[in-house]
Amino acid sequence: KAGVTQTPRYLIKTRGQQVTLSCSPISGHRSVSWYQQTPGQGLQFLFEYFSETQRNKGNFPGRFSGRQFSNSRSEMNVSTLELGDSALYLCASSLRQGSEGYTFGSGTRLTVV
Amino acid sequence: QKEVEQDPGPLSVPEGAIVSLNCTYSNSAFQYFMWYRQYSRKGPELLMYTYSSGNKEDGRFTAQVDKSSKYISLFIRDSQPSDSATYLCAMRTGAQKLVFGQGTRLTINP
Repeated sequence: KAGVTQTPRYLIKTRGQQVTLSCSPISGHRSVSWYQQTPGQGLQFLFEYFSETQRNKGNFPGRFSGRQFSNSRSEMNVSTLELGDSALYLCASSLRQGSEGYTFGSGTRLTVV
Repeated sequence: QKEVEQDPGPLSVPEGAIVSLNCTYSNSAFQYFMWYRQYSRKGPELLMYTYSSGNKEDGRFTAQVDKSSKYISLFIRDSQPSDSATYLCAMRTGAQKLVFGQGTRLTINP
């Protein structure tokens, strides 16, 4: 059974650019959550999607957005990149909202220069 | 003050020791409690999931929840070098977001 797949694994972008990250959940999982992980702040919740609708949102600026497709795959977009956006972006999937536990992908390491 | 507090360590113990990892929280509405393990360059992996006060055991791992004290623990018995990782506590209310602790970096020395 394939796990959660995140692409790309590594990304280097310049300040002011935008970036799109992709997440393919475990087959059958309909809920996808996104987290940002940094050494200083730890894991911080970005948003959660279920059945193509955003169900929960964290305290991030509007430059961070996401969407979910009918096949449950999800993308997140960050516009006008800042140096502070450098982080590991993790996607997690679960059968439904509020399921027992989440399965995380290995993340996308974004570096903004 | 953060909703979930976890000592970031680092914590270094000899192989075979009993390890105790702890988190405190301030939100009494948290109902579900989890422990994740994260190896370097990997995503977090779910270790334990509990939703009531008391103990839950799985092999060498025991999760303990004390809702009256707003305190959760993870014990690792007979620790192995392969247990070296960052351990994250996480909790949530109902179907809301997971709130994570800062993570404790653990090293088991052979």
